[in-house]
Amino acid sequence: DTGVSQNPRHKITKRGQNVTFRCDPISEHNRLYWYRQTLGQGPEFLTYFQNEAQLEKSRLLSDRFSAERPKGSFSTLEIQRTEQGDSAMYLCASSLVTDREAFFGQGTRLTVV
Amino acid sequence: SQQGEEDPQALSIQEGENATMNCSYKTSINNLQWYRQNSGRGLVHLILIRSNEREKHSGRLRVTLDTSKKSSSLLITASRAADTASYFCATNAGGTSYGKLTFGQGTILTVHP
Repeated sequence: DTGVSQNPRHKITKRGQNVTFRCDPISEHNRLYWYRQTLGQGPEFLTYFQNEAQLEKSRLLSDRFSAERPKGSFSTLEIQRTEQGDSAMYLCASSLVTDREAFFGQGTRLTVV
Repeated sequence: SQQGEEDPQALSIQEGENATMNCSYKTSINNLQWYRQNSGRGLVHLILIRSNEREKHSGRLRVTLDTSKKSSSLLITASRAADTASYFCATNAGGTSYGKLTFGQGTILTVHP
């Protein structure tokens, strides 16, 4: 499968714990995006990378959230001190710089209890 | 924040009928895209229309764009039960936000066999 891969698919954590999600983009794609989607809503932009540089961050991305893309390959999204309001589907997407179409992974569903 | 609104929020039709979904947005765009999402899964890109285009076709899909009204519509002809999904429009503003998508809240389409 050469699509965008996200792990884990599901994560249940207790409030206050830290969680980390991983995204492996399509190999030749130099842009990588993170979105968050809550039930009944469309995805909301969190941040994006071009290669290893983080070019834009949404105001939704509080200081408890951090994203990295070392070496411009896979990316991780970490949430520290999780809160119940962090429960959502976290979606990763990738694209070529020259393309406007983004390819999405299956998402990581986070439940904070 | 969500860029715009989609109408209707839910649509229920019989197999073979046409389905029309509308999307309105607020700011100027470089392009508008439509995505499909099956229950609780990732998004699949359907079609992209640039701001200087008025209509585009892809198989059973027809998209129109009216930049003066800041609106778009997606028509699915001869619907099938497999078309049952949520449909989202997403806008791209271009410029420094090239690649970043702002999604609407989606239309839930149910096609009854």
